[in-house]
Amino acid sequence: GDSVTQMEGPVTLSEEAFLTINCTYTATGYPSLFWYVQYPGEGLQLLLKATKADDKGSNKGFEATYRKETTSFHLEKGSVQVSDSAVYFCALSDRDAGKSTFGDGTTLTVKP
Amino acid sequence: EAGVTQSPTHLIKTRGQQATLRCSPISGHTSVYWYQQALGLGLQFLLWYDEGEERNRGNFPPRFSGRQFPNYSSELNVNALELEDSALYLCASSTGQPTQETQYFGPGTRLLVL
Repeated sequence: GDSVTQMEGPVTLSEEAFLTINCTYTATGYPSLFWYVQYPGEGLQLLLKATKADDKGSNKGFEATYRKETTSFHLEKGSVQVSDSAVYFCALSDRDAGKSTFGDGTTLTVKP
Repeated sequence: EAGVTQSPTHLIKTRGQQATLRCSPISGHTSVYWYQQALGLGLQFLLWYDEGEERNRGNFPPRFSGRQFPNYSSELNVNALELEDSALYLCASSTGQPTQETQYFGPGTRLLVL
């Protein structure tokens, strides 16, 4: 079945540091890939997505590129802020099954 | 545009009772999905409803059930509650086929079973 493996956390960075959160996946077919963010006490918010190989999703300074050859979708941001502190989930979508499969989440803490 | 809404925000039940959780999708969305986010277990897919029909369910026992109403809102029912059902239950919605894959999530219902 489908699976998503995320870089284990927690990750602690200083403000303005570079962020990378690794994500690799296993899936049949050609899934769409997503990054969601969850702030404390809230639900998931869609951060960015990519629907086919070599697509780059971007939002709020975050980027991720759909790499079919390495089955990866790593999240990056050039300069993190304290307000980026949250849990980040990588996910893939199985269109036919109507479900998304999520990684375990990576907790990011950014210190001033 | 209003997002996905869920009610109640918190629910406290005792073991053996039944819980009913509600979800209203984004206007125009016909698919509703339910996920369980239990501590230490990540996000697990529970159910998918589209156009009033159950289309798929995850690896959960039959005491987890639900339905989708003609206005596309949905209920999740959990019967014979067990302590391990304590979790955040997230509802998501999306448009219908063929572009249904982007799911938008609500804030969740936090269920505590004592």
